[in-house]
Amino acid sequence: AQKITQTQPGMFVQEKEAVTLDCTYDTSDPSYGLFWYKQPSSGEMIFLIYQGSYDQQNATEGRYSLNFQKARKSANLVISASQLGDSAMYFCAMREGSSGGSNYKLTFGKGTLLTVNP
Amino acid sequence: GAVVSQHPSRVICKSGTSVKIECRSLDFQATTMFWYRQFPKKSLMLMATSNEGSKATYEQGVEKDKFLINHASLTLSTLTVTSAHPEDSSFYICSARWGQGYANTEAFFGQGTRLTVV
Repeated sequence: AQKITQTQPGMFVQEKEAVTLDCTYDTSDPSYGLFWYKQPSSGEMIFLIYQGSYDQQNATEGRYSLNFQKARKSANLVISASQLGDSAMYFCAMREGSSGGSNYKLTFGKGTLLTVNP
Repeated sequence: GAVVSQHPSRVICKSGTSVKIECRSLDFQATTMFWYRQFPKKSLMLMATSNEGSKATYEQGVEKDKFLINHASLTLSTLTVTSAHPEDSSFYICSARWGQGYANTEAFFGQGTRLTVV
């Protein structure tokens, strides 16, 4: 089974509107972290936001917020007031903790290509 | 965020030759570095994890002798693609983190290297 599922291969949004990118995850580990990265056409991976499994509040970073629904195992990214520069691939990723060791592998979803229309 | 520099950004090499890609953490000591491979319009696939001063841990299906990883210092890891073939053409991207154990630190990514083997 896939550990990270992003069901939207592509999304379109009008400039200045909000958009939600879906991400569901699968893990039996009680300790885990969820990440969102942006990958523009240049290829670099830009860290956007992080949510820890024990965090009580949803993470927010500027125009980015993470809608964390633990029971449903979903961690959707919400981008408010979309800008043309937001057009890119967006990846959801998970790191599963393991007994305090140095394991830090990130498992990535397949990504969602977001296009912001003027 | 912390800066990870990857070099070169693009490389074209002849089939049968070897190519070295460097990943440097510029403003922090990277205890762990990760090497990923990304096919066009696909997700990132972890190839190996390297800790400074020790042998890299390769993911299942990744040829150790083909993809040589060296993490000789806390700021530099190298990936050498030996005897490259056209099927090795891909986007390779590294990431680095600091700290030991389970820590809520995101991994910072380099800019990536697009390798084309002709």
